[in-house]
Order: sequence, then structure tokens, then C-alpha cells
Amino acid sequence: QQQVKQSPQSLIVQKGGISIINCAYENTAFDYFPWYQQFPGKGPALLIAIRPDVSEKKEGRFTISFNKSAKQFSLHIMDSQPGDSATYFCAASIDQAGTALIFGKGTTLSVSS
Amino acid sequence: GAVVSQHPSWVICKSGTSVKIECRSLDFQATTMFWYRQFPKQSLMLMATSNEGSKATYEQGVEKDKFLINHASLTLSTLTVTSAHPEDSSFYICSARDFKALSTDTQYFGPGTRLTVL
Repeated sequence: QQQVKQSPQSLIVQKGGISIINCAYENTAFDYFPWYQQFPGKGPALLIAIRPDVSEKKEGRFTISFNKSAKQFSLHIMDSQPGDSATYFCAASIDQAGTALIFGKGTTLSVSS
Repeated sequence: GAVVSQHPSWVICKSGTSVKIECRSLDFQATTMFWYRQFPKQSLMLMATSNEGSKATYEQGVEKDKFLINHASLTLSTLTVTSAHPEDSSFYICSARDFKALSTDTQYFGPGTRLTVL
């Protein structure tokens, strides 16, 4: 019940296209859903995050869509650029002090120029 | 934004030796720090939760005597890999939660430490 399932494992998108990564969770107590971007040899960096009280959040080219009833959330990268090529992780946590993030397995995105 | 540093960024050691990795929150105080381990092309696996001034909480399957964690201050946590073996070679990443942040869930990650045990 603590798992966060992420798909696809890898994704190739043409420059200018839309990249879509999906995640699903089981624990209905989760109430914080961030996305992290990681480049090789670097630590993850927070990209965007959402809470269950909203269905969508947009920051620049990045949008999170959240479906509470389906227990799913997704990351959309509009106008994908070669610099977006990285590994993306979804995560989830419960809003309690000391609670760690549960990560999905990651999606390797390659944006071809 | 909040910055978390790790030192060293990479380390190579001989089998049987111990290695200490430091995690510091540079511009905020962190009552809780987390240690993760990441193998190549895999996700981050939580090893332990470190709370300032108290014992760390280890995840199932993580040997607490092998991976010693100390969170001596609000800005520093250390992970010591004792009697390291080649199978301990991995990318170790820490994260820290800013207890003053509006969002209690915001975690800031360090740049990671690449450990190679020969």
C-alpha cells in the first residue's frame, strides 16, 4: 500500500512535443505529490508538487494533473526541450512530521532535437 | 531556495574500511533528515530517517550497525558506512526538511555522494 507505480519506464519525445508521465498510488492517506527531476550524478531537484485539494497545477511548461478518485497523477511537459532530458520521479507522502517520500521507479526522458 | 550540501561528492575506499558522509543544510534548520540509496538506473530507496537529538529510524532490511547515522545538530547529519564492502558501492543521497517551511512536506535533496568500494 506504500507503493507508487510510475510509467512508462522510458520515453522518447521529439523537441516541441508533449511528454506525459503517469503515477498511481494506493494509500489514500497520501496528501502530497511532488515530481523530481534528476540528471546523471546529481541529486533530485523538486520540479512541481500538488496536494489533493486541487486537480491541476501549472508552473511554466510543467503541469501536474491529479485525479483523486482514480488515485492517479501525471506530469505533462509542454514544448519538450533537449535540456529536459533527465530522469523524472514521482513521489508521495503523508503530511506528518518525519514522514519520508515514497518514490516511483522513475522515467528516463529523452528529447530528440 | 534552500540548499543541502553533501561531502564528499565521491569517495573510493578499500574493502573493510569505514567511510563517513556528511549532509548539511546550509541556510535552514532541519529537524529531520533522510538518507537514501540509489543504484544505477534505479529509484531512491529510503534507508533511514534521522531526527536531531534522537536515534535514527531505519527501514526494514537496513543494517543499523553497518550504516551509522548521527544527527548531532539542526544542520548536520552524518552517515558512516562501517566495514564497507563492494556491494555497498552506491549513490547515497540525503534530504532535509525545513521545519520552518510553510509546506511541511518540502524536502530538499543534497547532490549525492558516489561511494565505490574496491
